[in-house]
Amino acid sequence: AQSVTQLDSQVPVFEEAPVELRCNYSSSVSVYLFWYVQYPNQGLQLLLKYLSGSTLVKGINGFEAEFNKSQTSFHLRKPSVHISDTAEYFCAVSETSGTYKYIFGTGTRLKVLA
Amino acid sequence: NAGVMQNPRHLVRRRGQEARLRCSPMKGHSHVYWYRQLPEEGLKFMVYLQKENIIDESGMPKERFSAEFPKEGPSILRIQQVVRGDSAAYFCASSPIIVGVSDTQYFGPGTRLTVL
Repeated sequence: AQSVTQLDSQVPVFEEAPVELRCNYSSSVSVYLFWYVQYPNQGLQLLLKYLSGSTLVKGINGFEAEFNKSQTSFHLRKPSVHISDTAEYFCAVSETSGTYKYIFGTGTRLKVLA
Repeated sequence: NAGVMQNPRHLVRRRGQEARLRCSPMKGHSHVYWYRQLPEEGLKFMVYLQKENIIDESGMPKERFSAEFPKEGPSILRIQQVVRGDSAAYFCASSPIIVGVSDTQYFGPGTRLTVL
């Protein structure tokens, strides 16, 4: 079975500052990794995903994440945030075979301050 | 190409009534997943369906909940005799045919169920 831990439930950061949202996972099998963003009262939008290959993954809106197999982490980063980045961010994993259902973390609420 | 459609967006039911949630996957997608998001929590997997087949329902409550994805028409998540604890946002996601490699799930806007 897999599990995903997002230790930070809330992250306040000033506009134009860098941010890192942490994600750690546990799994006995190979996994794919995803970051999704959820704006208030909306669905989830894919930011980026890691399936294989380069461990540094670039996504939309200037976000990137690095897969670290030894530390079982997939932290999300952005060098300079905007007010519009205020949202809930979810890390998820799925098995590389089988049903591919997602296991989500509990989310990190990013609040960008002016 | 329209995204994943869910309706209704908001649904209010009284205790004991039935709730019926609909999901139309993206065109060309034959895999549908349902997730539930309780207030202040992450999304929890409920069920995975392909056309006319339930593949994995390990996340579905044993009673009152059922799902289908008929040959024609949308996928339906049905909750019978709703209770206050069923109040949540229910998200549907679809994925194209998986040919040996996982692909991204595309999420709908969700149905927010409130049980009075």
